[in-house]
Amino acid sequence: EAGVAQSPRYKIIEKRQSVAFWCNPISGHATLYWYQQILGQGPKLLIQFQNNGVVDDSQLPKDRFSAERLKGVDSTLKIQPAKLEDSAVYLCASSLAAYTDTQYFGPGTRLTVL
Amino acid sequence: DQQVKQNSPSLSVQEGRISILNCDYTNSMFDYFLWYKKYPAEGPTFLISISSIKDKNEDGRFTVFLNKSAKHLSLHIVPSQPGDSAVYFCAARGAGGTSYGKLTFGQGTILTVHP
Repeated sequence: EAGVAQSPRYKIIEKRQSVAFWCNPISGHATLYWYQQILGQGPKLLIQFQNNGVVDDSQLPKDRFSAERLKGVDSTLKIQPAKLEDSAVYLCASSLAAYTDTQYFGPGTRLTVL
Repeated sequence: DQQVKQNSPSLSVQEGRISILNCDYTNSMFDYFLWYKKYPAEGPTFLISISSIKDKNEDGRFTVFLNKSAKHLSLHIVPSQPGDSAVYFCAARGAGGTSYGKLTFGQGTILTVHP
């Protein structure tokens, strides 16, 4: 069974530029999550999708971050414009169902904002 | 406010000995506690979990203990192997309300097992 795929693996941009990350969850997983992991901290949930609908985006900085999950499969997370404090690893995870199923994580995208 | 804390940033253990990783939480509204393991350049992988109504769960070399009165849980690895060297994250799952099903992670502990 293929795992959660993410691309790119690494990205370096300058502040005020925009960037987008892509995630392909495990086939059949209805729930998709985006986490931000800042160096030295644990992952923090940014947004959760159930199929193509948003379940929780309370921690998403909506003035600069946006995410979508068209057709309930792949998802993209965008930052526009990026700030220095956005430097982090962005992890995508998926689970069969929401709330109680095990979350499976992708390898993450390491973003450096200069 | 950090609801889940791992106060030891790192732990070094000799191969064959016991590794004990600790985690404290400040909120009682969690129904499950989980441990994830993370190798460099990979995402976290689920290791073991425990329900808030249990005090111990064992899976092979891994045992998680939960002390609800102290709001403390620990992961024991016996015997430790060099392949166990990784970052270990403790996570707590919200039991209800707007936090239902949401995972709150600790900062992680880097475990190094020396041959």
